[in-house]
Amino acid sequence: DAGVIQSPRHEVTEMGQEVTLRCKPISGHNSLFWYRQTMMRGLELLIYFNNNVPIDDSGMPEDRFSAKMPNASFSTLKIQPSEPRDSAVYFCASSLRQDNEKLFFGSGTQLSVL
Amino acid sequence: RKEVEQDPGPFNVPEGATVAFNCTYSNSASQSFFWYRQDCRKEPKLLMSVYSSGNEDGRFTAQLNRASQYISLLIRDSKLSDSATYLCVVPENTDKLIFGTGTRLQVFP
Repeated sequence: DAGVIQSPRHEVTEMGQEVTLRCKPISGHNSLFWYRQTMMRGLELLIYFNNNVPIDDSGMPEDRFSAKMPNASFSTLKIQPSEPRDSAVYFCASSLRQDNEKLFFGSGTQLSVL
Repeated sequence: RKEVEQDPGPFNVPEGATVAFNCTYSNSASQSFFWYRQDCRKEPKLLMSVYSSGNEDGRFTAQLNRASQYISLLIRDSKLSDSATYLCVVPENTDKLIFGTGTRLQVFP
């Protein structure tokens, strides 16, 4: 049974470039979350979707960040333009809405912006 | 006050020791609480829920103190494999989980 799948695992890019992170949630899960993790701030919720609809994007740091969920099996987080302070591990997680404490995380994308 | 606060550690303990972590939270309306475990360079995984009456799962015991607004995690008979970061989690609402920054545990032989 495949878990949450994220790609790429690692991304190294230069400042100013566009970065797109991808996520495939567990089949049947109807909630999807994007988190960012840094040493200083820990895990921060960026945005979450219920049934493909964005519910709360208050954690998205700036207009440079955007997220989409065109269907139940795919989501993207885009950063344009990227900056060195965006360097972090980005996790996608999914859950059944009625069981939201049981988040299943993907392996994360380690982003380095030079 | 931060929504969820944890001592970052590290807690360095020998195998077989008992160790406990606390986590304080600010939202007095929170009804449920959780502990997640995160291994180095891995994703977080749900370890256990914290019920009002406490919760025990093998060597792990989670307790809730509503009056003082903290939850605790007790690990008995520590194993090398328990070495990880333990994240305290408090829901802000039915959908949104707030994670603490974690407490790192290192168990040595």
